[in-house]
Amino acid sequence: ILNVEQSPQSLHVQEGDSTNFTCSFPSSNFYALHWYRWETAKSPEALFVMTLNGDEKKKGRISATLNTKEGYSYLYIKGSQPEDSATYLCAFNRKTSYDKVIFGPGTSLSVIP
Amino acid sequence: DGGITQSPKYLFRKEGQNVTLSCEQNLNHDAMYWYRQDPGQGLRLIYYSQIVNDFQKGDIAEGYSVSREKKESFPLTVTSAQKNPTAFYLCASSNRDRGNQPQHFGDGTRLSIL
Repeated sequence: ILNVEQSPQSLHVQEGDSTNFTCSFPSSNFYALHWYRWETAKSPEALFVMTLNGDEKKKGRISATLNTKEGYSYLYIKGSQPEDSATYLCAFNRKTSYDKVIFGPGTSLSVIP
Repeated sequence: DGGITQSPKYLFRKEGQNVTLSCEQNLNHDAMYWYRQDPGQGLRLIYYSQIVNDFQKGDIAEGYSVSREKKESFPLTVTSAQKNPTAFYLCASSNRDRGNQPQHFGDGTRLSIL
């Protein structure tokens, strides 16, 4: 089983602060990297799927970057709002088993009003 | 609205009993997945199916069984062989397009032992 690591495990920020998290994954055999947001009492929601080294994706105040050569992705939230409070999951596919998605443990974000 | 429906939301199992968790989707997705979440851990893949009448074991398949008789449905049976079944179970689906499609998730089933 491959390890997908996420840091930090949890984060508390003040409303209006910008923040970022890291997802680390094995760089060999890379196929795709996914980010999901999971709010309490809801189901996980897809944010981004990235496949190319250097990819950058943006959705409102949330953006993500991808470095497949060194095996990491950053998720940025600009001007955090209380509604951004959630667990952020990253997940990874390998070329040799592209239909299997391996999830990291998540980063729990709390935005304090 | 299209989506994934999991039922029941809460389920209790007696020792030695098999229980089945339901997962239905109306998104016309080919691929369906079952994950298990334990406290402090990420989602771990139990079984997945890319097409009707075919499925593969994930990383923690022991003690579980699935069927995929219809495109819309992918039920998971937790058998008595699963010695630690207490967990949160999530079902997901996606378009079958070489793994670069996002997964859509249900609301989950929480299984506990009586």
